[in-house]
Amino acid sequence: KAGVTQTPRYLIKTRGQQVTLSCSPISGHRSVSWYQQTPGQGLQFLFEYFSETQRNKGNFPGRFSGRQFSNSRSEMNVSTLELGDSALYLCASSVIPGANYEQYFGPGTRLTVT
Amino acid sequence: AQRVTQPEKLLSVFKGAPVELKCNYSYSGSPELFWYVQYSRQRLQLLLRHISRESIKGFTADLNKGETSFHLKKPFAQEEDSAMYYCALKDTDKLIFGTGTRLQVFP
Repeated sequence: KAGVTQTPRYLIKTRGQQVTLSCSPISGHRSVSWYQQTPGQGLQFLFEYFSETQRNKGNFPGRFSGRQFSNSRSEMNVSTLELGDSALYLCASSVIPGANYEQYFGPGTRLTVT
Repeated sequence: AQRVTQPEKLLSVFKGAPVELKCNYSYSGSPELFWYVQYSRQRLQLLLRHISRESIKGFTADLNKGETSFHLKKPFAQEEDSAMYYCALKDTDKLIFGTGTRLQVFP
């Protein structure tokens, strides 16, 4: 079974631009979560989607948004990029939400904002 | 507020030595805790969860509600255990991660 895939793997943007990252979950998984990983803050939860609905949202500004499609693929968008948005963005999928269902992580998208 | 604390950024041991990676949590309710591991150039992956009470790759972790701790232990470290370890707390279906501890096992 193919793992979680994220595209693109690397991205360089300039301040003020916007960016869209994509995540394809494991086949059959319907829950997708997004995390931001930085050296200073570690892994921080962004949001979670299940059945095309956002179920949870972390403490990030409104510039960070996401969506999920009917095939469970998910995208996250960051508008008006700031230097501090440079990070590794991880996507994780699980069959359905809940502690009993393991989250499988993708390789991440490395975003650099210059 | 819900929080996970991993006090050590780096833990260095020699092969064969015991290992204990510390994790403390703050949570109002019954916690669900996990340990995740990230080996060099690999994805973050689940190592173990407290509800399973299992030993994975020789690692165990016991939830101590009195001390609000979920320390990860292994009696004899191996070089292949070198990795980044994250303790995580499940809070309404989202994971709250600690800042991680890098374990270095020297030969």
